Amino acid sequence: GEDVEQSLFLSVREGDSSVINCTYTDSSSTYLYWYKQEPGAGLQLLTYIFSNMDMKQDQRLTVLLNKKDKHLSLRIADTQTGDSAIYFCAESRSKIIFGKGTRLHILP
Amino acid sequence: DTEVTQTPKHLVMGMTNKKSLKCEQHMGHRAMYWYKQKAKKPPELMFVYSYEKLSINESVPSRFSPECPNSSLLNLHLHALQPEDSALYLCASSPLPGNDEKLFFGSGTQLSVL
Repeated sequence: GEDVEQSLFLSVREGDSSVINCTYTDSSSTYLYWYKQEPGAGLQLLTYIFSNMDMKQDQRLTVLLNKKDKHLSLRIADTQTGDSAIYFCAESRSKIIFGKGTRLHILP
Repeated sequence: DTEVTQTPKHLVMGMTNKKSLKCEQHMGHRAMYWYKQKAKKPPELMFVYSYEKLSINESVPSRFSPECPNSSLLNLHLHALQPEDSALYLCASSPLPGNDEKLFFGSGTQLSVL
């Protein structure tokens, strides 16, 4: 299909790890991105991965890329209440294509 | 300065009004974008300016008119809008247009058309 797919909701207990999954469509996409959107705000680029990499780690964030399956994941270690937001996966074709976003809800 | 600044933050307008949304960045970015975002949806691309020239228009109705007066400023002129145009309008910039488009977003203008 043409869409970047993500599950719409994820609930995680504070302190646990969150894993947000995404499937994209274009194997020639050069970069894949994760953006975070808090209520009433614009999108913030969290991290990105170049298509020739399998993994990228940045503090609490780990991005895994399975190019064969066109699967991208974002792991947030030690999830905090401030991580509550919508997370958009995006791929770069002739323009940036966003997924529908995963709303991460943190349980106390 | 690593921000994209949008004004106003909120705007309410009638269907006969003319208004403008403004966006400013001082990061030296050469690509600037307008996106429209409806509630619980991803942003939808409207326009892209590359090196101050309009490079992409995603078949946006002519009641939306973009303008890029210089490399730091981007405007969106609004005229005769419809209630369904109510949405969050996001401006973004990127160092260079192309395949490595790391977007820096402003906080948006929440537009209500009555």
